Amino acid sequence: DQQVKQNSPSLSVQEGRISILNCDYTNSMFDYFLWYKKYPAEGPTFLISISSIKDKNEDGRFTVFLNKSAKHLSLHIVPSQPGDSAVYFCAATRAGNNRKLIWGLGTSLAVNP
Amino acid sequence: NAGVTQTPKFQVLKTGQSMTLQCAQDMNHEYMSWYRQDPGMGLRLIHYSVGAGITDQGEVPNGYNVSRSTTEDFPLRLLSAAPSQTSVYFCASSKSGTPLYTFGSGTRLTVV
Repeated sequence: DQQVKQNSPSLSVQEGRISILNCDYTNSMFDYFLWYKKYPAEGPTFLISISSIKDKNEDGRFTVFLNKSAKHLSLHIVPSQPGDSAVYFCAATRAGNNRKLIWGLGTSLAVNP
Repeated sequence: NAGVTQTPKFQVLKTGQSMTLQCAQDMNHEYMSWYRQDPGMGLRLIHYSVGAGITDQGEVPNGYNVSRSTTEDFPLRLLSAAPSQTSVYFCASSKSGTPLYTFGSGTRLTVV
């Protein structure tokens, strides 16, 4: 049973446009959400996170939005660059439980020049 | 800073062989974990440790053993390799109580 769902396995956008990656979750106990980015032949790297007490967190070109009532979060990348081409994983966690992460299956983003 | 170091990067095993995947971190992180990544399956937790001497199972522990004798090292042992264990393995670490993981670069294992 997938508690964190990324329903789009892949996404293709033009350089300079906005990329929007979506993530849905089912467990209302999740209180912290993260996005990781993964290039081929490398391990995932932390990108941006958001606490459930916020609805938006911004870091440069990356913004994460959280809609708790819909149990939905999204990652916006503006403007998209070819170097952003990677697999993006959404992950969630809740207090306690050693802060183990529950992962989505990932969305492969291709930014075309 | 080395971060999380995994060795080897690539390995081919025959069915039934055993081996140890090494993981070391130099950030004094209490929490360490092993994941496997398979196509269409995302990242699945194999085993984790919250500190030296303490380990616990994740969601796919069968066929794997771990130990944590030091804060720095968290080796993953395959007892008797099977083709179903063909995968990419990632080690990750974090400060206790935080979900900000640092990952190693992975070990690509093929069992024939």
